Amino acid sequence: EPEVTQTPSHQVTQMGQEVILRCVPISNHLYFYWYRQILGQKVEFLVSFYNNEISEKSEIFDDQFSVERPDGSNFTLKIRSTKLEDSAMYFCASSQGGGRSNQPQHFGDGTRLSIL
Amino acid sequence: AQSVTQLGSHVSVSEGALVLLRCNYSSSVPPYLFWYVQYPNQGLQLLLKYTSAATLVKGINGFEAEFKKSETSFHLTKPSAHMSDAAEYFCAVSETSGTYKYIFGTGTRLKVLA
Repeated sequence: EPEVTQTPSHQVTQMGQEVILRCVPISNHLYFYWYRQILGQKVEFLVSFYNNEISEKSEIFDDQFSVERPDGSNFTLKIRSTKLEDSAMYFCASSQGGGRSNQPQHFGDGTRLSIL
Repeated sequence: AQSVTQLGSHVSVSEGALVLLRCNYSSSVPPYLFWYVQYPNQGLQLLLKYTSAATLVKGINGFEAEFKKSETSFHLTKPSAHMSDAAEYFCAVSETSGTYKYIFGTGTRLKVLA
């Protein structure tokens, strides 16, 4: 069964450095998402992406964050200047349809980001 | 705005016993609802989904959930727990206002006792 893949599985970065988290969504999916899960807390929506543009972003997704689909397969999340509070597990997800369709989002295994 | 409440952050059951994980949502219109499972160091795996076709939804690994509009609930059940069911379970609702994000509950960690 096709799956969403994320790399790296674990990223350790110094505070203030830039980090790029990479995702390869399922190939025929059209909608892409990033979520994060701070240790011990619930999964929170960051951003959704459709038709090569952001369709919605949360309050967490400030100017330090950006997303890009540089080619036909990758979907990246960039944090420009990391802060300690960015330490979390970041999940990429994709779906064939949007929120009103019956197509669920498929999630990757996540990237654990640790900011030192 | 939509919200999801999962009662009980930790649930322990004996192997072979009934599993009941609770989820309540807030929505003025019937939403799309999902249950995901997260095994240690893994991502979120879809267990089942409710998309208005049937109120009793069967999922993978013997799990099922019943949508009850009058109670705004979507509780997850399994008749007989296995050790392999130990994991964290998340209930999620899809926005109905034209956006596409999921709103997750806080999760319930299921422990299965031998």
